[in-house]
Amino acid sequence: DQQVKQNSPSLSVQEGRISILNCDYTNSMFDYFLWYKKYPAEGPTFLISISSIKDKNEDGRFTVFLNKSAKHLSLHIVPSQPGDSAVYFCAASVNTGTASKLTFGTGTRLQVTL
Amino acid sequence: EAQVTQNPRYLITVTGKKLTVTCSQNMNHEYMSWYRQDPGLGLRQIYYSMNVEVTDKGDVPEGYKVSRKEKRNFPLILESPSPNQTSLYFCASSLWAQKNYNEQFFGPGTRLTVL
Repeated sequence: DQQVKQNSPSLSVQEGRISILNCDYTNSMFDYFLWYKKYPAEGPTFLISISSIKDKNEDGRFTVFLNKSAKHLSLHIVPSQPGDSAVYFCAASVNTGTASKLTFGTGTRLQVTL
Repeated sequence: EAQVTQNPRYLITVTGKKLTVTCSQNMNHEYMSWYRQDPGLGLRQIYYSMNVEVTDKGDVPEGYKVSRKEKRNFPLILESPSPNQTSLYFCASSLWAQKNYNEQFFGPGTRLTVL
């Protein structure tokens, strides 16, 4: 049962344009959402996060939007750069008070072309 | 440099031969975790530890053991590896604070092949 879903395995965007990566979740108990970026032969690195009490968080070229009623979040990258080419994982956290568990999506491979 | 290190980075072994993948962090983090990444399945949590001598199962713990005798180390043990444990493994660590999520830092990964 995949509680965090990234339905697009891959995405190709031209340099300078906007990249939009989508993520859906099913568990209404998730209270924190994160995006991780992963280059080949490296571990995932934290990119940006959003609390469930907010609907938008912005950090430079990266913005995450959260729509709780639709159980949907998206990552916008504007403008896209070739160095953004990587696999992006959406993740969600349930803080039960005794453990903070992170559930990952399957990832979307973004390719930014020249 | 603050980091999570894993060894070995690559390992090919045979079914049934016990192995240990080491994980160490130098950030004095309380929380450590092991994940495996498989095509089409994303990263799935194997085990986690909230502090020394405190460990618990994640989503896919079968066939794995862990220990947390020191704060900085969190080894993953496969007592009798099988081919379905062929995967890419990541160790991660973070500060631990109740009621507040803290960013997890990941190691570079260990690619394990079990023949």
